[in-house]
Amino acid sequence: NAGVTQTPKFQVLKTGQSMTLQCAQDMNHNSMYWYRQDPGMGLRLIYYSASEGTTDKGEVPNGYNVSRLNKREFSLRLESAAPSQTSVYFCASSSGTVSNNEQFFGPGTRLTVL
Amino acid sequence: QKEVEQNSGPLSVPEGAIASLNCTYSDRVSQSFFWYRQYSGKSPELIMSIYSNGDKEDGRFTAQLNKASQYVSLLIRDSQPSDSATYLCAVDRGSTLGRLYFGRGTQLTVWP
Repeated sequence: NAGVTQTPKFQVLKTGQSMTLQCAQDMNHNSMYWYRQDPGMGLRLIYYSASEGTTDKGEVPNGYNVSRLNKREFSLRLESAAPSQTSVYFCASSSGTVSNNEQFFGPGTRLTVL
Repeated sequence: QKEVEQNSGPLSVPEGAIASLNCTYSDRVSQSFFWYRQYSGKSPELIMSIYSNGDKEDGRFTAQLNKASQYVSLLIRDSQPSDSATYLCAVDRGSTLGRLYFGRGTQLTVWP
């Protein structure tokens, strides 16, 4: 089992460019999440998908869009990148049930916007 | 008040000592509590989960939960230099299934 995988690992964009971060999980989890992590700010939730076909905003959704393509895949899109979106992006997944909502993280994407 | 608060540290202990990491949370309806370890440049890795009051032991790690005091801690016995990392406390958002609050982490250094 690969767990949670993310592509790409690193990316440099210019202001105004767009890109999509890909995430996939092979644990048959219902719920998937996108976080960003900035120094001193901890993990902040951008968007999440409680189940296939649903998505909801987290704490910092502005400038991002998401697609839950199927149960395995959850992508994050930056339509017009800004320097403030320079960060490390983590995808996570969980069963999403009351008795078991442990989240497992992918390796992350380090994004720099110039 | 932040939803989850941790001592920012850094916490420094000698090899073989007990490291104690603390976390308080504000949402009284939270039911599940997690500790993650994050090495520099890596992703968070789940090391402990606890759902009931009391202690839960897993190898050198013990998680302690006190819901009345809204307090959760992680003890690392016989600390090793390889335990040097940032430890994140996470607590479920009782009102929103599946979402977690994360603390900002405590940086631990274990020196030989």
